[in-house]
Amino acid sequence: DTAVSQTPKYLVTQMGNDKSIKCEQNLGHDTMYWYKQDSKKFLKIMFSYNNKELIINETVPNRFSPKSPDKAHLNLHINSLELGDSAVYFCASSPQVGGREQYFGPGTRLTVT
Amino acid sequence: AQSVTQPDIHITVSEGASLELRCNYSYGATPYLFWYVQSPGQGLQLLLKYFSGDTLVQGIKGFEAEFKRSQSSFNLRKPSVHWSDAAEYFCAVGGEYGNKLVFGAGTILRVKS
Repeated sequence: DTAVSQTPKYLVTQMGNDKSIKCEQNLGHDTMYWYKQDSKKFLKIMFSYNNKELIINETVPNRFSPKSPDKAHLNLHINSLELGDSAVYFCASSPQVGGREQYFGPGTRLTVT
Repeated sequence: AQSVTQPDIHITVSEGASLELRCNYSYGATPYLFWYVQSPGQGLQLLLKYFSGDTLVQGIKGFEAEFKRSQSSFNLRKPSVHWSDAAEYFCAVGGEYGNKLVFGAGTILRVKS
């Protein structure tokens, strides 16, 4: 069984569209995250949720809206997509808040044309 | 604020040779330190972690890392590299509220036969 899964794996869309990426973890973890990996492979945190509560929002444009319907799921909705949003988006989870290892999903490669 | 520096963008080693990937971090308190590996088109896999205690930590795939507080370093080592180790390696530091990980820019490892 996949521990952290994301759908879709690839997403190609046009500028101005709205899209969502879904993430699910079956590890029983309380904390989930979204990271963005740009074209230079630089990884940066975007959001973190602990038990459905937003605890990190790293000055991400408000076109990005995370939603956590329960602690096993963290979705990312992006409005009005821009060329600069093209990247690989990784979901991750960890057992608790406070310095514990994070387990990453396979990533979603978003291409905005 | 946390930061991580991986001084080497690329490293090439011969198969069977030893490997050391450098990582320096900046963090005011006791850091939580991690090494992840990313194969092309894949997600990030946790190799090893340091939270406290013994400063030499063992990970998967024969990797180890040593935490040196005086040098603010957490270098990754492997005594004998295999061709399958070719990948990109990321060092990360955590510990701040929310458990966000701050990643280095990565080191690409090439293995020549």
